[in-house]
Amino acid sequence: EAQVTQNPRYLITVTGKKLTVTCSQNMNHEYMSWYRQDPGLGLRQIYYSMNVEVTDKGDVPEGYKVSRKEKRNFPLILESPSPNQTSLYFCASKAAGEGNTEAFFGQGTRLTVV
Amino acid sequence: GESVGLHLPTLSVQEGDNSIINCAYSNSASDYFIWYKQESGKGPQFIIDIRSNMDKRQGQRVTVLLNKTVKHLSLQIAATQPGDSAVYFCAERFTDKLIFGTGTRLQVFP
Repeated sequence: EAQVTQNPRYLITVTGKKLTVTCSQNMNHEYMSWYRQDPGLGLRQIYYSMNVEVTDKGDVPEGYKVSRKEKRNFPLILESPSPNQTSLYFCASKAAGEGNTEAFFGQGTRLTVV
Repeated sequence: GESVGLHLPTLSVQEGDNSIINCAYSNSASDYFIWYKQESGKGPQFIIDIRSNMDKRQGQRVTVLLNKTVKHLSLQIAATQPGDSAVYFCAERFTDKLIFGTGTRLQVFP
């Protein structure tokens, strides 16, 4: 089954404690991206990657890091989480190239930073 | 489910009526415009897209209209059903990035 898998689904952590949210896709997609979703603000892009070893900042990259060492994985790293990073996070992937607009999303990770 | 749309604009329609969800986009250089549906507790799911050189595209029970003059996109859902209740996002594709709008909540009542 084609899917994007995020872990964990729910996480409560304390300010300053480093954490990683994993994302894996099994569709051999070149493009992967992280979004955060907050009430009234829609989906805001944090980072994206066009392919292995290629990552770029989205609209709200501050406080986040990513890596793309393998095509299937795109972890999101919060080195020192703060309460304003409490949010719902989604990972997505899609095939690159002309006409490819269908992104596949994971189930989301609800992060609470206290 | 996840409470991700506490302050979203909301469209309420009666089951069986047609729904029209509107969206304004920002970038004239975007080459595709896309609609996604997000049900409670799930990630967004692709519905339909339209290329920038088109003004209308139809799918199963859905039609997307694009007006580039005023940078406006709409999604029409025919014979709205309870299963259509969700948050709907428009998105634009610019240099292979997907940029999402803030979303509209569609509520279907009997």
